[in-house]
Amino acid sequence: KQEVTQIPAALSVPEGENLVLNCSFTDSAIYNLQWFRQDPGKGLTSLLLIQSSQREQTSGRLNASLDKSSGRSTLYIAASQPGDSATYLCAVMNRDDKIIFGKGTRLHILP
Amino acid sequence: NAGVTQTPKFQVLKTGQSMTLQCAQDMNHNSMYWYRQDPGMGLRLIYYSASEGTTDKGEVPNGYNVSRLNKREFSLRLESAAPSQTSVYFCASSEPKGGGYNSPLHFGNGTRLTVT
Repeated sequence: KQEVTQIPAALSVPEGENLVLNCSFTDSAIYNLQWFRQDPGKGLTSLLLIQSSQREQTSGRLNASLDKSSGRSTLYIAASQPGDSATYLCAVMNRDDKIIFGKGTRLHILP
Repeated sequence: NAGVTQTPKFQVLKTGQSMTLQCAQDMNHNSMYWYRQDPGMGLRLIYYSASEGTTDKGEVPNGYNVSRLNKREFSLRLESAAPSQTSVYFCASSEPKGGGYNSPLHFGNGTRLTVT
């Protein structure tokens, strides 16, 4: 059974700092891993998708890496801004097409 | 560009009542998913449909049924609602099944369900 864990559950950092969010998964037989952002009371927005054959993906100030063999992914946010405050979730797609989520990391950027 | 549309947005039920949550996507996606989100629990997969005509159980299927009516529509039914089913329900769709595994998951805006 696939289990996805995100650490830490919550994080507060001063504006301008670089930060890393972590995601781990127990079954490395995945098709892809996705990172999402969720603002309070809203739906989820896809940030980055890394296919199983890829090592990283970048979009603006965001960089996501994937080490499938060790079951780990990181989301790196450069030069954080107050607008980055949100909950960040990672999700893996299993070989049976199930997409399983972690519980998320609540990020608060301090102005 | 509607994307994934869920109805209703809000619903209050009494214990034992039934209801169907509707979901439709206009992106010609093969795969569709139903999740519930509870405080501190992340998103948990209820049911999914990898392609038209197929449905499979997810992590928390008990108390729910689904119907993949056609390629566009995937409904979730609560036959006898219980307070434990109070949650926010999200529908999502993605491309896989021959479309490549580089298609991100697209979400609807959710349905907030309260069972009293």
